[in-house]
Amino acid sequence: QVKLQQSGAELVKPGASVKLSCKTSGYTFSTSYMSWFKQIPGQSIEWIGMIYAGDGGTGYNQKFKGKATLTVDTSSSTAYMDLSSLTTEDSAVYFCAREQLYFDYWGQGVMVTVSS
Amino acid sequence: DIQMTQSPSFLSASVGERVTLSCRASQNINKYLDWYQQKLGEAPKLLIYNTNNLHTGIPSRFSGSGSGTDYTLTISSLQPEDVATYFCLQRNSWPYTFGAGTKLELK
Repeated sequence: QVKLQQSGAELVKPGASVKLSCKTSGYTFSTSYMSWFKQIPGQSIEWIGMIYAGDGGTGYNQKFKGKATLTVDTSSSTAYMDLSSLTTEDSAVYFCAREQLYFDYWGQGVMVTVSS
Repeated sequence: DIQMTQSPSFLSASVGERVTLSCRASQNINKYLDWYQQKLGEAPKLLIYNTNNLHTGIPSRFSGSGSGTDYTLTISSLQPEDVATYFCLQRNSWPYTFGAGTKLELK
């Protein structure tokens, strides 16, 4: 069965960077698309961007350009998102989700807390 | 960016009641509209894709309709397990955008 397993919660200091992972199983990762999302607890969801695992091609929400960098490692069927120059406004839950025209499988989410 | 407006923000309904949630886009989204259910502390769960297609394993009491800028999610007979927040998502153009959500509670 399809599974997306995200890394654990992160507590990071302002100005630092963090790399989140999304390990997949149960489907052919190397020819798939993955998107990432941000959700501040109690609020709506924002689409950050997507990556095609076949060639690493990416597309970003303009709002997150320079903040998020998406990469993949096809040898381990894992997608990554780097978040840089973190501020308190980046504190949120981040989700990965497989895109097959629509987002059918999601990771469990990871809470990132930015605090000194 | 396409703005998605959901209404109502909060809805209280009884078990067995028919419930209708609405989502309006700021421009035509050509039926590229999905509905998600999110329970507290969980990831969003896909219910409906492309306006009216029921995702695998989703109960038939959920249905979707709409076109152009106006879309609807209907729960034909509300069940206790349907208590959640519901989000619409447009995939017509980047950046994909969500509505603010409708929080559904039991009366």
